[in-house]
Amino acid sequence: QKEVEQNSGPLSVPEGAIASLNCTYSDRVSQSFFWYRQYSGKSPELIMSIYSNGDKEDGRFTAQLNKASQYVSLLIRDSQPSDSATYLCAPYILTGGGNKLTFGTGTQLKVEL
Amino acid sequence: DAGVTQSPTHLIKTRGQHVTLRCSPISGHKSVSWYQQVLGQGPQFIFQYYEKEERGRGNFPDRFSARQFPNYSSELNVNALLLGDSALYLCASREWGMGTYEQYFGPGTRLTVT
Repeated sequence: QKEVEQNSGPLSVPEGAIASLNCTYSDRVSQSFFWYRQYSGKSPELIMSIYSNGDKEDGRFTAQLNKASQYVSLLIRDSQPSDSATYLCAPYILTGGGNKLTFGTGTQLKVEL
Repeated sequence: DAGVTQSPTHLIKTRGQHVTLRCSPISGHKSVSWYQQVLGQGPQFIFQYYEKEERGRGNFPDRFSARQFPNYSSELNVNALLLGDSALYLCASREWGMGTYEQYFGPGTRLTVT
């Protein structure tokens, strides 16, 4: 089982719609979760962090966390063409080998005019 | 405020050579981590350093090594380069002991091994 699983996409949504990105993780001990946005050829950019069960909103972004189901999601409201990118889900794992972000392969989002 | 900086931006090396990549963290951040990202994959953890000590190591061969300096900057060294080492190498910095774990990435170094 992969540590972090995401649908690779591409996920296509029309401009102005809500984009829903999902992620499941295998490590039950993970307490911190992050979403990064990565444009083609660029480095990942942190857009959301969430530590507690429930929803966290920041502008057009809402992160949702359900630790019992080992599930985290990202909603993007009023999607814009500039939101077209790959979105990486990253639980922060505390291990004997060191504390690390563990990334999924990412979901490619395409916002169409 | 300046973000994480990395140098060089791009690098082309030949198999068997060694390479040194450099990173300067965000001012006030004392921890640096290194990640490798190959095309089509998410970043993979290589090392984490805090206060000049290695605090974590990913599943990478001993050809990979790193260190952190008193000013919290860091370098990643890779010896005996293989074609498979071609990737984007990312440095991330974070505060330590603040109860949060946000890591901020630099622009990366694109390494091509021929």
